[in-house]
Amino acid sequence: DSGVTQTPKHLITATGQRVTLRCSPRSGDLSVYWYQQSLDQGLQFLIQYYNGEERAKGNILERFSAQQFPDLHSELNLSSLELGDSALYFCASSRTGDSANTGELFFGEGSRLTVL
Amino acid sequence: GENVGLHLPTLSVQEGDNSIINCAYSNSASDYFIWYKQESGKGPQFIIDIRSNMDKRQGQRVTVLLNKTVKHLSLQIAATQPGDSAVYFCAESTGGGNKLTFGTGTQLKVEL
Repeated sequence: DSGVTQTPKHLITATGQRVTLRCSPRSGDLSVYWYQQSLDQGLQFLIQYYNGEERAKGNILERFSAQQFPDLHSELNLSSLELGDSALYFCASSRTGDSANTGELFFGEGSRLTVL
Repeated sequence: GENVGLHLPTLSVQEGDNSIINCAYSNSASDYFIWYKQESGKGPQFIIDIRSNMDKRQGQRVTVLLNKTVKHLSLQIAATQPGDSAVYFCAESTGGGNKLTFGTGTQLKVEL
């Protein structure tokens, strides 16, 4: 158990809909990361937050947004869903926002999104 | 498993043999590298890391080798066990950041 909690574990929805994925980082971790793992693209970095502020941005679509709340949990909002958005969405956390000491990220077990 | 359908290179080894998983990276500015293990139905799990000022680092049953000249990274697993069966990803980052770029992964299958 990594200590990172993601909900829901599975989600089935239709095209055009909007969903919210939730992540609770490990206790004491200030940074949260979102990754998308699809069948044909592997693990793709979406976005990173550190202590409530956006720290780094990756290949995140404009239809997607995220935020980190004062209690450090994070939400990833996916809107106007398309079939191609079907994937595993992983949240990870780390103590700090950089790899100066260690770049070890602790991953949750993911939220599997299926868009029909 | 979670990677069904993903066309991953596969390495099959006999239990007890040593495994070597390779990774090529393209960004010559990358200065920090990590290996992750992903078992079916789970999130990636940290195995070992190495910084660009080193060429070798050892952990428990694992060794990571870095060749910056040819931009190549390898993970060696000694005395491979059935529990080592998983997909292994290398990841890289640049400039002290934690934005990791993951490789495509290698499926390791341990045969009894």
